[in-house]
Amino acid sequence: DVKVTQSSRYLVKRTGEKVFLECVQDMDHENMFWYRQDPGLGLRLIYFSYDVKMKEKGDIPEGYSVSREKKERFSLILESASTNQTSMYLCASSSLGLTGELFFGEGSRLTVL
Amino acid sequence: ELKVEQNPLFLSMQEGKNYTIYCNYSTTSDRLYWYRQDPGKSLESLFVLLSNGAVKQEGRLMASLDTKARLSTLHITAAVHDLSATYFCAVDIDDKIIFGKGTRLHILP
Repeated sequence: DVKVTQSSRYLVKRTGEKVFLECVQDMDHENMFWYRQDPGLGLRLIYFSYDVKMKEKGDIPEGYSVSREKKERFSLILESASTNQTSMYLCASSSLGLTGELFFGEGSRLTVL
Repeated sequence: ELKVEQNPLFLSMQEGKNYTIYCNYSTTSDRLYWYRQDPGKSLESLFVLLSNGAVKQEGRLMASLDTKARLSTLHITAAVHDLSATYFCAVDIDDKIIFGKGTRLHILP
């Protein structure tokens, strides 16, 4: 089975802190994604990556950056956390194969105080 | 800009009834996905639709795709309480996968 592991299920940070959210997948998938999920807004794409060291902005990249130094790992970085970044963050991966189906991690619930 | 719109956003229905969730999208796409999310859980893949006219069925759920109309439907037959969840459609444009806002389905016993 595909496994996508997010390093932290729950985090509480203070405004202005730097936050790292880590995601690791074990299926050699080329593509990896970071979404945030908020009530009534569904999932919104922050960034995605289709290869090591490659990244593309999604619909809401402001206030975020990403890093992909290894194929299996995709990190989301909040340089200076703000209260409006309190959310559930979901990482996903997919292959370049026929279906392109996404496999999701369990999510990281971030609260910024 | 790609937009993915689901309708309705909330649905409360009785067990045993049939209903359809609609997913419209604004740009040509080759792939459409349906996912399910239970409260407090992550998303689980239900269907992958890859071509015009594609139809897939799993139990009481059936999904279809009309690429010319840019429309997908998720049909629920004889709903049961276990199908209560939030259902998302998502569209793939050049590997960028965009989700609708989700349809929260509540099935009353």
